[in-house]
Amino acid sequence: GEDVEQSLFLSVREGDSSVINCTYTDSSSTYLYWYKQEPGAGLQLLTYIFSNMDMKQDQRLTVLLNKKDKHLSLRIADTQTGDSAIYFCAEKLSGYSTLTFGKGTMLLVSP
Amino acid sequence: GAGVSQTPSNKVTEKGKYVELRCDPISGHTALYWYRQSLGQGPEFLIYFQGTGAADDSGLPNDRFFAVRPEGSVSTLKIQRTERGDSAVYLCASSLGEGTQYFGPGTRLTVL
Repeated sequence: GEDVEQSLFLSVREGDSSVINCTYTDSSSTYLYWYKQEPGAGLQLLTYIFSNMDMKQDQRLTVLLNKKDKHLSLRIADTQTGDSAIYFCAEKLSGYSTLTFGKGTMLLVSP
Repeated sequence: GAGVSQTPSNKVTEKGKYVELRCDPISGHTALYWYRQSLGQGPEFLIYFQGTGAADDSGLPNDRFFAVRPEGSVSTLKIQRTERGDSAVYLCASSLGEGTQYFGPGTRLTVL
């Protein structure tokens, strides 16, 4: 199966909270990342969390990590239409420098 | 700008041709990565440089793909005898040591 899995699509209304979920299989992950990709653009780093943390908050973004279940989530508070994009979860394994990405979750925010 | 830059932004070529894709990393970043993103997929690792040398090239799909970074800064990804299956967005990223990777805008390669 896939190393990193994400649901493919999420639709929310402007002003609501969005929660994007990710599961991974390798318990040796050291860092977990969230990147945002707008149409025709590269990947923009949103936030990351070290594997010994449970939560990280950065303005409208909250990352939760459940190591036991190998589950990572990204919560976006007060979602705006400008948040519409594809969100990628990525893991960095111990001893490796490269990232393994999920297939991405397309977030659509309607007015 | 201070970010990672990639040229060209778009490249259309014919099957069997040779192409070169260029990446300019963030100034001072020692590590440089190439990824390939096919339609509807996440980026997949190709090759990673630490300085001038390829530290890990396990993601290169076959010997038609090659990359260099002769002076430890700019890198060129070279694809020989292109095939239609090579069509994808090629992304470059750089990092300071093994820190957070910052991505460029990508080169969209189309092989006709």
